[in-house]
Amino acid sequence: EDQVTQSPEALRLQEGESSSLNCSYTVSGLRGLFWYRQDPGKGPEFLFTLYSAGEEKEKERLKATLTKKESFLHITAPKPEDSATYLCAVQARSGGYQKVTFGTGTKLQVIP
Amino acid sequence: DGGITQSPKYLFRKEGQNVTLSCEQNLNHDAMYWYRQDPGQGLRLIYYSQIVNDFQKGDIAEGYSVSREKKESFPLTVTSAQKNPTAFYLCASSIRGARETQYFGPGTRLLVL
Repeated sequence: EDQVTQSPEALRLQEGESSSLNCSYTVSGLRGLFWYRQDPGKGPEFLFTLYSAGEEKEKERLKATLTKKESFLHITAPKPEDSATYLCAVQARSGGYQKVTFGTGTKLQVIP
Repeated sequence: DGGITQSPKYLFRKEGQNVTLSCEQNLNHDAMYWYRQDPGQGLRLIYYSQIVNDFQKGDIAEGYSVSREKKESFPLTVTSAQKNPTAFYLCASSIRGARETQYFGPGTRLLVL
């Protein structure tokens, strides 16, 4: 069974204090790994898709990396507006359907 | 603007009542999905549809029903058989293919009176 584990569950950072969020996964036949940002009471907002080990993608203060067992979301010099829950998801083939399994998220709080 | 809309934002269900959540997309995506989100749990798949007039059960389909009569629309009905319907419901869509990024709507929060 596909599994996605995100750590830590919650992270509190001072503004400007860089850190990383972890997403460990167990899946047969990885098709893609996704990162989303979710604000309270809203739908997840797409950030990145990574397809193969060694791939990296960046957007403003965020950088996502992928290995064969895990992905990291690096946050450089975060600002209070980066506060949100960050979700990781993996896509794998399951019969004819590209099943997506979500982690439970890391809740990030950035303090001014 | 292209996107996914869900309505209503909040929905209240009485005991024994069926309620329907709306999901519409104008992204020209073939595939659409319904997820349920509960505190402390990952998103769980209720139903998905890869093409008009076809849909499949996800991991937690019991007590729910869907239809896909139009490419743009994928309504979800929460029936009286769903005994614990209080949750945040999310609709998503994607281009059908080998590597599909799913894009989400704003969600509907369902509460039981």
